Parts: sequence; structure tokens; C-alpha cells
Amino acid sequence: AQKVTQAQTEISVVEKEDVTLDCVYETRDTTYYLFWYKQPPSGELVFLIRRNSFDEQNEISGRYSWNFQKSTSSFNFTITASQVVDSAVYFCALYLSNSGYALNFGKGTSLLVTP
Amino acid sequence: SAVISQKPSRDICQRGTSLTIQCQVDSQVTMMFWYRQQPGQSLTLIATANQGSEATYESGFVIDKFPISRPNLTFSTLTVSNMSPEDSSIYLCSVVKSTSGDYGYTFGSGTRLTVV
Repeated sequence: AQKVTQAQTEISVVEKEDVTLDCVYETRDTTYYLFWYKQPPSGELVFLIRRNSFDEQNEISGRYSWNFQKSTSSFNFTITASQVVDSAVYFCALYLSNSGYALNFGKGTSLLVTP
Repeated sequence: SAVISQKPSRDICQRGTSLTIQCQVDSQVTMMFWYRQQPGQSLTLIATANQGSEATYESGFVIDKFPISRPNLTFSTLTVSNMSPEDSSIYLCSVVKSTSGDYGYTFGSGTRLTVV
């Protein structure tokens, strides 16, 4: 069975703080993809990153960084120097190569950044 | 990546009626999916829309309630039938352009449905 767990339901930080959103996944497959999406209050889903199971390199994109660790089945997302515009719900999702291509989403973490 | 036009963006409907949501893509795509997002919840897959054949539904979703069509590689519709207030959700169309290599997923902007 595949499963994505985002244990943090809500996080509140003050602007300029760093914040890490946790994502733990379960799968027995060796080939899979992990995703992060942002859903601002307007409701649309914004793609942030895709990582395949064979690429454990961490990635940095501006203030965003991702730490993929297969040993702990985690794909954590860090926002450095958070800003009010980062306030949104963030979803981690898993795709399995043999699951029909649909994404399996975690429950999401609601991030509130206050001035 | 593909560009999706999803309509309507929102609607308020009377209980017992039906609403059809359209998903139009600007290019041919391999896979099309429909998701539901209930208030404050995550996204749940309703079904995979198959071109020229019946959709593949996930557990808990049935064709009579959520009929889906996909007549070609760029268009799909989801109908929410005999609506009740419990159907109030955001419904999202998602597409995958290629199932080899890229696995780029695109989501429509969603349809916010309120049933009264």
C-alpha cells in the first residue's frame, strides 16, 4: 500500500523565520515520484517540485529547499526566511509507476506566516 | 506543460439537481483525472477518465453519481448528479501529458461547488 503522511496539520510562524514541512511516505515500490504542491487561499494548485526515487540529491530553489532521504522515507520541504505570501496549504504527493499514474496526496499542512 | 481551462469556476446549486464540469486542455494528453477536495481536506481521486471508454472509479465513487466522459484526448466532463449538501467541494481536473519520462502533472483551477 502507498501512503503519504504529513503529520503537521497547521504551522504558524513569524515572517523571516525558517520553517520545515515534513512528509513521510510509504511504498514497497522501487520506482516512484514525490511531489510538493502549494495551494494558496485562491484554491489553485501550484506545482513546486518533482523528485524521482533514484535521485536523492537535495534541491534548492530560491528560498525553497527539499531534503529527500530514502533511508527514512522522507521528503521534507524547508522555506527559508518565510514571507506572508508563503501562507498556503502545502501538499506532499506520491506517484507510483504501477498505480495508474494518479497522485496520492497527503492531508496537507496549513502554513500561516504573520508579519 | 499543458494548460487547462476548467469551467465553471464556481456554482451554487439546488439539492437534487446535477452539474456538469468541463475540462479542456490546450494539447493532447495521455491521462486525465478528476479529484474532489472537501472543505479543509486533501485531494481525493474520484476517477481516471479514459478516452473512448468508461472511466475507472476509485473506491467510494460510482458512475451513477459521478458520470465522466472523455470523447477525445483534450476534453473531459464530470457530472455531479442528484446533488446533496455533502457534495459541496472543490472539484479539480488534472492531466498528465506524457507517461514516459516527464510525468508532468497539471491541475485545473478547480470548480467550487456549493449545494444548498
